[in-house]
Amino acid sequence: QKEVEQDPGPLSVPEGAIVSLNCTYSNSAFQYFMWYRQYSRKGPELLMYTYSSGNKEDGRFTAQVDKSSKYISLFIRDSQPSDSATYLCAISPNDYKLSFGAGTTVTVRA
Amino acid sequence: GAVVSQHPSRVICKSGTSVKIECRSLDFQATTMFWYRQFPKQSLMLMATSNEGSKATYEQGVEKDKFLINHASLTLSTLTVTSAHPEDSSFYICSARGVKANYGYTFGSGTRLTVV
Repeated sequence: QKEVEQDPGPLSVPEGAIVSLNCTYSNSAFQYFMWYRQYSRKGPELLMYTYSSGNKEDGRFTAQVDKSSKYISLFIRDSQPSDSATYLCAISPNDYKLSFGAGTTVTVRA
Repeated sequence: GAVVSQHPSRVICKSGTSVKIECRSLDFQATTMFWYRQFPKQSLMLMATSNEGSKATYEQGVEKDKFLINHASLTLSTLTVTSAHPEDSSFYICSARGVKANYGYTFGSGTRLTVV
């Protein structure tokens, strides 16, 4: 079993729709949760970071963490074509070594 | 914000030659740098972790004699792919973590290596 499971998609939505992404993990020792956005042939860019259960909001992005279910989510509201990218969840037990999900490719259609 | 510069962005080399990839933290001191490899449509696979002034720690299955990592200063780490073969062709990405426990990691823009 992989440490972090993420549906690779692809996911296609119309502009303005809500994009919903999620990951599950197996190790309850994981305490730090991140979402990265990666455009084609570029390095990942940090979008959201959290270390507790609950919601965290930043502009159009909302990250949710449910430690009891070992489930994390990222929601993108009012999606734009510029949001088209691969989104990677990353989880760490100690804010040091990261375990990445496979990444979900998202296309927002104009 | 924190910036990590990675060079070259793309390199093509002949089989049997060596290639060096540089990763520099431009506006912060990177005590730890991570090197990843990414295959098409797949996630990042951690290859090794390097701390400034120390030997790198390699992940299981990664050949340390083939992938030489040097972290000689707080702003520079290099990955050298020695005696490259076509199967080494991949996207290599570095990330850096600063002295302070600022959350998250800053990634370089990646290097596309093609061995012909």
